[in-house]
Amino acid sequence: QLQLQESGPGLVKPSETLSLTCTVSGGSISSSSYYWGWIRQPPGKGLEWIGSIYYSGSTYYNPSLKSRVTISVDTSKNQFSLKLSSVTAADTAVYYCARPTPYGVDYWGQGTLVTVSS
Amino acid sequence: VIWMTQSPSLLSASTGDRVTISCRMSQGISSYLAWYQQKPGKAPELLIYAASTLQSGVPSRFSGSGSGTDFTLTISCLQSEDFATYYCQQYYSFPWTFGQGTKVEIK
Repeated sequence: QLQLQESGPGLVKPSETLSLTCTVSGGSISSSSYYWGWIRQPPGKGLEWIGSIYYSGSTYYNPSLKSRVTISVDTSKNQFSLKLSSVTAADTAVYYCARPTPYGVDYWGQGTLVTVSS
Repeated sequence: VIWMTQSPSLLSASTGDRVTISCRMSQGISSYLAWYQQKPGKAPELLIYAASTLQSGVPSRFSGSGSGTDFTLTISCLQSEDFATYYCQQYYSFPWTFGQGTKVEIK
C-alpha cells in the first residue's frame, strides 16, 4: 500500500521560504509513470493545486504561484520536495503531497499545517 | 484556467435522503472530472473519476454523471458516515482546479 508523508517546519516567518518534503513508501517514486504533486488548503477553505513533478524532473506549476514555487525530486531517497518563497500570511494552509493520475488524485499524505507568522 | 461552480455550498439532509451536488465548468472538459470526500482533519479521498467511474472500495450508493460542462454527484441513500464536504476537480487541463466544496450536514 502506497503511503505519502509530509515533513517540514510548521511555522515560517513572513518573507522567508517554506520548505516541505514528501516521503513515499510502499512503492518507488520512479518505477511507474506517475506524476507527484502538492496541493494546499487554507484553514476553512477549499483546495488549490500548487504543482506537479515527474520522476525525471519535469514540472508543472500553477501559474498563480509559479514565480515562487520550486518542486524537486530525489529518487535515491524516494522523496519529492516543495519550496515556496517570499511567503505571506495568505500562504498559511494545510499542505498535502499527493499522487495525481489520469484518473484523479488517488493517494494523499495526511497533510501538514504550515503557519506563516512572525 | 478552467473555473468551476459547485452548488450548493451547504446541504442539510437526513440519513436515508437522496442528495445531489452539481459542478459546472467554464468550458467543456469531456469527462475529465473527479469527486472527493473530505472529513474534518483528514485528507480528501477519491470517490469517482472519469465523471462516473467509482473508485475501488467506494460504496455503490455514490454515483456520478455528466460530461462537457455539467456534472452531478448523487448519494442515493445518505448514511451517517457520508456527512462530510465534497469537492469536484477537473483534470482536463493545467492548472487542475477544484470546486469550492459542498458541506453535507445533518438536518
